[in-house]
Amino acid sequence: AQSVTQPDIHITVSEGASLELRCNYSYGATPYLFWYVQSPGQGLQLLLKYFSGDTLVQGIKGFEAEFKRSQSSFNLRKPSVHWSDAAEYFCAVGLTSGTYKYIFGTGTRLKVLA
Amino acid sequence: KAGVTQTPRYLIKTRGQQVTLSCSPISGHRSVSWYQQTPGQGLQFLFEYFSETQRNKGNFPGRFSGRQFSNSRSEMNVSTLELGDSALYLCASSLVPGMPDTQYFGPGTRLTVL
Repeated sequence: AQSVTQPDIHITVSEGASLELRCNYSYGATPYLFWYVQSPGQGLQLLLKYFSGDTLVQGIKGFEAEFKRSQSSFNLRKPSVHWSDAAEYFCAVGLTSGTYKYIFGTGTRLKVLA
Repeated sequence: KAGVTQTPRYLIKTRGQQVTLSCSPISGHRSVSWYQQTPGQGLQFLFEYFSETQRNKGNFPGRFSGRQFSNSRSEMNVSTLELGDSALYLCASSLVPGMPDTQYFGPGTRLTVL
């Protein structure tokens, strides 16, 4: 079955430290990949997306993600975390089997220590 | 260009009542999807509309329904509310369905059922 896994429910990092959020998917072909961020009580904001081409994708707010086909992963990274990055992060895949649809991971909640 | 707007932002209802939520997509976007977000279940797909027709539907009971108008605005209705319907309801718009595209989310409607 098609699925998206974010193995870390909670992550805590110190401000200024580097960050990596993991995302793995299960799908027979290369999906379209997205990372969204959600601040408390808000909707989801698109950070970055990968459709094809260069496997290292740059996004907003200093985030980047790397698609690794061999590992079925699309991990999100940031070299230096700011306190304002505290939020929940969702990985999503867009699948084109039959009708196009999105599947979301369960999210990773990021806490940033001052 | 204005983003996706959802009204109302907050709602409090009692069990057995019904509720209607509204979503206005980004100008030019013709596809609208609805999601239910709860702490336990994460983001779950409700349905997708395009050209006033429901294209996809998630695994929700018939109490959940929706429609789309000719201007692409969409409403979703929940009848006979249950306590478990308390959630953040998110609307997302994209240009067209059925092809790889980015979904843009509104801020959501927080529904509380007492």
